[in-house]
Amino acid sequence: EAGVAQSPRYKIIEKRQSVAFWCNPISGHATLYWYQQILGQGPKLLIQFQNNGVVDDSQLPKDRFSAERLKGVDSTLKIQPAKLEDSAVYLCASSLKDSPLHFGNGTRLTVT
Amino acid sequence: AQSVTQLGSHVSVSEGALVLLRCNYSSSVPPYLFWYVQYPNQGLQLLLKYTTGATLVKGINGFEAEFKKSETSFHLTKPSAHMSDAAEYFCAVKTSYDKVIFGPGTSLSVIP
Repeated sequence: EAGVAQSPRYKIIEKRQSVAFWCNPISGHATLYWYQQILGQGPKLLIQFQNNGVVDDSQLPKDRFSAERLKGVDSTLKIQPAKLEDSAVYLCASSLKDSPLHFGNGTRLTVT
Repeated sequence: AQSVTQLGSHVSVSEGALVLLRCNYSSSVPPYLFWYVQYPNQGLQLLLKYTTGATLVKGINGFEAEFKKSETSFHLTKPSAHMSDAAEYFCAVKTSYDKVIFGPGTSLSVIP
């Protein structure tokens, strides 16, 4: 089966600019996750979707981050405006219920 | 609230020696537990999982882990380390609503 696809792989922007990341989950996976992984730390859950509904976004900085999952398939994560501390790898994952997460290779964001 | 702790942010072992990476969790419901491995510039790959049943679970690359409910632990072991095992290892717990929380990670170095 095809894995979780993410793009772009790398992105460099200046602070106060905006950026968007895209994720295509494994076909049939109802649950989609976005994680932020800062260098040297474990992944931190930003938002979790079940189909196209939000299950958990308690750690999403909503003043600057937004995410959507149209038609319960692809998802985009946006940051506007970006801050230096947003430099991290953004990981997308998908899963079936009660099953492990499958991860994409991530997008490495550098904010200068 | 659910949480995961990993004792030791860095572990070094000699090639051929036992690998032991520690993980403790807190969960208000019976957990599903996972170990993931992350190689540089890649996403997370599932090593093994515990859902129900046998408390000793075997994974890929010769790794295994034992779920001990009384100790709220899920330590990862491998009898003999190989150079290719050098990577970052993350313990994770999946609880209600399929929410998955990761520990801070342990970086494993293998010394020739």
